[in-house]
Formats: sequence, structure tokens, C-alpha cells
Amino acid sequence: NAGVTQTPKFQVLKTGQSMTLQCAQDMNHNSMYWYRQDPGMGLRLIYYSASEGTTDKGEVPNGYNVSRLNKREFSLRLESAAPSQTSVYFCASSEAGTGWTEAFFGQGTRLTVV
Amino acid sequence: QKEVEQDPGPLSVPEGAIVSLNCTYSNSAFQYFMWYRQYSRKGPELLMYTYSSGNKEDGRFTAQVDKSSKYISLFIRDSQPSDSATYLCAMSPYSNGKLTFGQGTILTVHP
Repeated sequence: NAGVTQTPKFQVLKTGQSMTLQCAQDMNHNSMYWYRQDPGMGLRLIYYSASEGTTDKGEVPNGYNVSRLNKREFSLRLESAAPSQTSVYFCASSEAGTGWTEAFFGQGTRLTVV
Repeated sequence: QKEVEQDPGPLSVPEGAIVSLNCTYSNSAFQYFMWYRQYSRKGPELLMYTYSSGNKEDGRFTAQVDKSSKYISLFIRDSQPSDSATYLCAMSPYSNGKLTFGQGTILTVHP
């Protein structure tokens, strides 16, 4: 049982290049999330998908797009990378329900934009 | 001003010490309070979860929530070198993964 898997683990981009960060979960969770983590800032929510077929903006969505490909996969795309997008990106998933459910995080993608 | 404030430390303690980690917040709608532990170059892992006010204990860890003061704490008793990590408080008004995090506190427990 792999949990939440992110690819790639590391990436260096030049300013203006595009790329897609991939995320897949094998826990049959309905909800998926993308966060970024910067020094001194904690984790901030970029986009989330409450269920297959829906996506919504989080706290810091500018410069990003997402696709919920199916129940398992949720990708994050940078169309034109900027140095301000240098960060560690975490994907997470959780069950949806009326009570609290734990969010499980992937190992992260370390992205550097030069 | 951030919605959730957490002293980033770093905090360095000897093995066996009691560690106190704290967060304050401004959004009175927060109802779900969590502590995550993050080892270097890893993803966050849930350590403790509390709903609304009160205390929760799990082994050497105790989480406290005081909603009237908008203040949450994590206590680690008999700290071990394996507890060395970044500790992140997180909270949400909803029962899902849309979380607002503190900045994280870097803890080192030295033998």
C-alpha cells in the first residue's frame, strides 16, 4: 500500500518553462489537495478537489492549474514557471465524510525555478 | 497577520526533557486542530488530532486546545532523539483536508 505517490521528486526548470507535477493515491479517497511549503511559511493550500470532477482554488492558486484525472490522480501544472514558484510541493488526500478524516501527504516534489 | 502563528524556533533540548510547542490563531471558525510531524525531506505525518476544546493524550504526547484563548499546545514528555523533526500545527473549520498551517517549529533533541 503506497499511500500518496508524487512524481517527480526533484525538478529544475528555467523561467518560462512548463511542467506537470503528478500525484496518485491508492486509498480510494474522494478528496485530494495540493500544498506548497516555503521556509517560514508553513504549508499553503494551492488547489483542492473535493471529489472526482470538481476542483477549487485554495489560498495561493495564481500561476497554477489542476486536473482531477480520475479518482486516483490529481495533477498540478505550471504553465510558465517563475522563480517565485521555487518551493516544495505536497499532494495530500483524505476521505470525505461528515466527520473529521485524516489527510495523508506524499513525500513532496522539490522544484527549483532558475 | 497570519491566521495561525507558530514560533519557528529552532528549539534544542536534552533527551528526557519536556517539550512545549504552541500555536495561536485568529479565526474563531476553526474547530479541528492537528499536530503534524515532518522529518527532514519527508511529507508531514499526523501526530495528534483534537476536535474543539479539550485535552488529548497519546503515549508521550498531549495536545491541548483552548478555544477561548485561541491557543493550542503540544507537549512531549521524556523527549527522545527520534523526536527531532519539524512540528506543524494545522487547523480547519471543516472536517476535511483544507488545512491552515503554522510556520512549523524545528525541534532537536540531543542525547
